[in-house]
Amino acid sequence: QAVLTQPSSLSASPGASVSLTCTFHSGINVNTYRIYWYQQKPGSPPQYLLRFKSVADKQQGSGVPSRFSATKDLSANAGILLISGLQSEDEADYYCMIWHSSAWVFGGGTKLTVL
Amino acid sequence: QVQLQQSGPGLVKPSQTLSLTCAISGESVSSNSATWNWIRQSPSRGLEWLGRTYFRSKWYNDYAVSVKSRITINPDTSKNQFSLEMNSMTPEDTAVYYCARKRVADDAFDIWGQGTMVTVSS
Repeated sequence: QAVLTQPSSLSASPGASVSLTCTFHSGINVNTYRIYWYQQKPGSPPQYLLRFKSVADKQQGSGVPSRFSATKDLSANAGILLISGLQSEDEADYYCMIWHSSAWVFGGGTKLTVL
Repeated sequence: QVQLQQSGPGLVKPSQTLSLTCAISGESVSSNSATWNWIRQSPSRGLEWLGRTYFRSKWYNDYAVSVKSRITINPDTSKNQFSLEMNSMTPEDTAVYYCARKRVADDAFDIWGQGTMVTVSS
C-alpha cells in the first residue's frame, strides 16, 4: 500500500466545486502531517498551490487564488484539496506531498478534467 | 527573482553515470533559508524526491532510501550551482529530472528548473 493514494482521474463542469482526496496509509495519521498540494500542467514542472495542517497552520502559495483551499477528513484519514468555481485553466494534474520517514513523498496524482 | 537552469545529457547508457547540473541565479546556494533538491518524474514511478543539499553553518545532504547507494548531490559555491550524480543507471531510471528550491519561509518547493528528460538506453 502506497503512503499516499490519490484517485487517478476526476472530471467536473466549469463553475462546479470539486474535492480531490489524498488518502494516507493506514499506518500513519493524517492529523500529524502538513500536506502540500501541487498543480502540474503538461510540459511544465509542478507548481506549488498551498499547504495545510490545521486551520492555524496553513499557507496559500504566492498568487494562488482563494478558490483553492484545503482541509482534512480525519475519519477517512485523508487530505482534501478543494477547488471552487472551476475554470478551464484548472484542468491539470494535482499532487499531494508530505514529509515522511525523512523524505518527501508524493501521491500518485489526480488528473482533473474540466468538461 | 530566483531562477534554476538545468543542464546535462538527455541520453545515458545502461550502467553509466548520470550527471546533471542546476545553476542558480538570484540566490546563493549557500543560503541559510533554502534547500536545493532533485526530483524526478516518470509514468511508472510518478514524482520521486531523490535528495537535497543545504547549508546551515556546514553542508548537509539527505538522500532517498531508494537511490541512496547510487546518488551524490554536491554544491558548487564557485559557480553557484548544485549537481546530481547517479551511477549504475538502468532503463527504470528513465524520467524527467527536476531541480527545485525549497524555501524555509514558505516550506514548499516554490522554484523549479525546466526539467531534463533523461533516457537510459544503449
